[in-house]
Amino acid sequence: AQSVTQPDIHITVSEGASLELRCNYSYGATPYLFWYVQSPGQGLQLLLKYFSGDTLVQGIKGFEAEFKRSQSSFNQMKPSVHWSDAAEYFCAVGANQAGTALIFGKGTTLSVSS
Amino acid sequence: NAGVTQTPKFQVLKTGQSMTLQCAQDMNHNSMYWYRQDPGMGLRLIYYSASEGTTDKGEVPNGYNVSRLNKREFSLRLESAAPSQTSVYFCASSEDAGSFYGYTFGSGTRLTVV
Repeated sequence: AQSVTQPDIHITVSEGASLELRCNYSYGATPYLFWYVQSPGQGLQLLLKYFSGDTLVQGIKGFEAEFKRSQSSFNQMKPSVHWSDAAEYFCAVGANQAGTALIFGKGTTLSVSS
Repeated sequence: NAGVTQTPKFQVLKTGQSMTLQCAQDMNHNSMYWYRQDPGMGLRLIYYSASEGTTDKGEVPNGYNVSRLNKREFSLRLESAAPSQTSVYFCASSEDAGSFYGYTFGSGTRLTVV
């Protein structure tokens, strides 16, 4: 069974600084990997996804993520954080198998200081 | 352009009461899911329906039942609510159950059991 770990519960970054959100997964084959964002009181919005091919994927809102098979990681980056990026971020892993569902990490809360 | 609609948005129940959370999607998706979100726990899968006519248990199914009423609708029922079921419930849908496409989420139902 697949699983996902987000090592950082809470991160604070200054506005304009770079950001990296960490995600480690466990799955025997090549997984499907996702990053979602949740603003307070809202549902989850898909930021980006990885299935295969290029290991660096681009998403919405200026986010990108890099898949590293050797490290079982799918870390998300943004070169310059804006105050509106403050939210909770979830990494999710899916099996390349019909009839399965995404497994989510416990989330990382991002605070942006001015 | 409604996407995934959940009703109600808020609900307070007394211990032992029953209720049904409703979810409907208008994207002609085959697969639908119910998650619960608790602080520090991320999203945990309760039940999912890979296609119309099928349902499967997720990580935390105890105390819940589901019905895939038709392709559009997937309801979650609490037969005898307990305080441990106080949570935010999210419904999601996807084109197919192989996790390839990512999910579209509803805005959630905040349930309090007293």
